[in-house]
Amino acid sequence: AQSVAQPEDQVNVAEGNPLTVKCTYSVSGNPYLFWYVQYPNRGLQFLLKYITGDNLVKGSYGFEAEFNKSQTSFHLKKPSALVSDSALYFCAVRDLISGGYNKLIFGAGTRLAVHP
Amino acid sequence: KAGVTQTPRYLIKTRGQQVTLSCSPISGHRSVSWYQQTPGQGLQFLFEYFSETQRNKGNFPGRFSGRQFSNSRSEMNVSTLELGDSALYLCASSLAGEGYTFGSGTRLTVV
Repeated sequence: AQSVAQPEDQVNVAEGNPLTVKCTYSVSGNPYLFWYVQYPNRGLQFLLKYITGDNLVKGSYGFEAEFNKSQTSFHLKKPSALVSDSALYFCAVRDLISGGYNKLIFGAGTRLAVHP
Repeated sequence: KAGVTQTPRYLIKTRGQQVTLSCSPISGHRSVSWYQQTPGQGLQFLFEYFSETQRNKGNFPGRFSGRQFSNSRSEMNVSTLELGDSALYLCASSLAGEGYTFGSGTRLTVV
């Protein structure tokens, strides 16, 4: 079965420092990977995705992610964190095994706290 | 272009009642999927509709059902509400399974 793991419940970083939010996955075949961000009492906002191509994917709000097939990881990064980046971040993989093309499997989420 | 619209934003219902939530996808998107988000279980897939047909279903009891109309708008229904059904319900629309746009969600509270 396909799965996604976000090993950190919370990540704390000082404003201006680089940030990394970790994600590892387990899939059969080529993965479709996504990162979403959620602010309190809001839906999920799309940040970036990897389907094919360059391993370094650039997304919204200065975020990027690196796809590493050998380590089955898709870590989210940003060179310089902002206090406004504080939110809940979800990594997701598209599930193909179940036969449905449009089902996402989400990690448990990582809360990012950026301190002034 | 307009995003995914979910209505209502907030609902308070009593145990045993039923509730219907609505989702209007991005124009041209034929796939609508629903997710339940709770603090304990995280984000869990409910079901997906494509061209008015349920194409995939998650591991939820039969009290949870849905449908999709010819204009791709979707509704989900929960009957005989339980306290544990309190959650944020999110829908996502997709064009070809390579991108998923989520609505702002409906916050359901069962009392």
